[in-house]
Amino acid sequence: DGGITQSPKYLFRKEGQNVTLSCEQNLNHDAMYWYRQDPGQGLRLIYYSQIVNDFQKGDIAEGYSVSREKKESFPLTVTSAQKNPTAFYLCASSLDRGGGELFFGEGSRLTVL
Amino acid sequence: QKEVEQDPGPLSVPEGAIVSLNCTYSNSAFQYFMWYRQYSRKGPELLMYTYSSGNKEDGRFTAQVDKSSKYISLFIRDSQPSDSATYLCAMSLPSGGSYIPTFGRGTSLIVHP
Repeated sequence: DGGITQSPKYLFRKEGQNVTLSCEQNLNHDAMYWYRQDPGQGLRLIYYSQIVNDFQKGDIAEGYSVSREKKESFPLTVTSAQKNPTAFYLCASSLDRGGGELFFGEGSRLTVL
Repeated sequence: QKEVEQDPGPLSVPEGAIVSLNCTYSNSAFQYFMWYRQYSRKGPELLMYTYSSGNKEDGRFTAQVDKSSKYISLFIRDSQPSDSATYLCAMSLPSGGSYIPTFGRGTSLIVHP
């Protein structure tokens, strides 16, 4: 079945460690997005990419990095520079640059110990 | 003031009730309007998508957009316990040739038998 796969579902890390969250899609979508969700705050955009080898910062990009080497893959690295990384991370994709209908993965919950 | 305002609730209703969920926004440049449903610990899924003022109906769900008042609503008829979830409004505005969604905080809905 077509969809978006995020892994791992749950992740624990110690302070000062970098961690990479995987996002793979087989929908042949051009655009991909990373959102962060905190309780009571909705979804906040971290990074987005509209085409391979190109990406733009969202509203809260500090402390995060991404790459888009393949159309299907958009991994997110949470670096040690991110002050408050504990959150639920959601990857999404859309067919074109319209940004209207997003298809989401199941999310990755990161906890910093 | 956030660009998209949404009451987080929770909103608790009995089974069979008509539910009204609402969002207001401040930026008149928003052009596409969406409602997503998110079950606990899952990724959001698109419920309704519209770009014009007026009503759009899909089964028990009706999305309403009033651009003059900068106000959107989602109505759920004959609500069921399975409708218990968080409902996120989202809207897109043009940015560099694409449309990037901005999300509200989400409203938690509880439908009790």
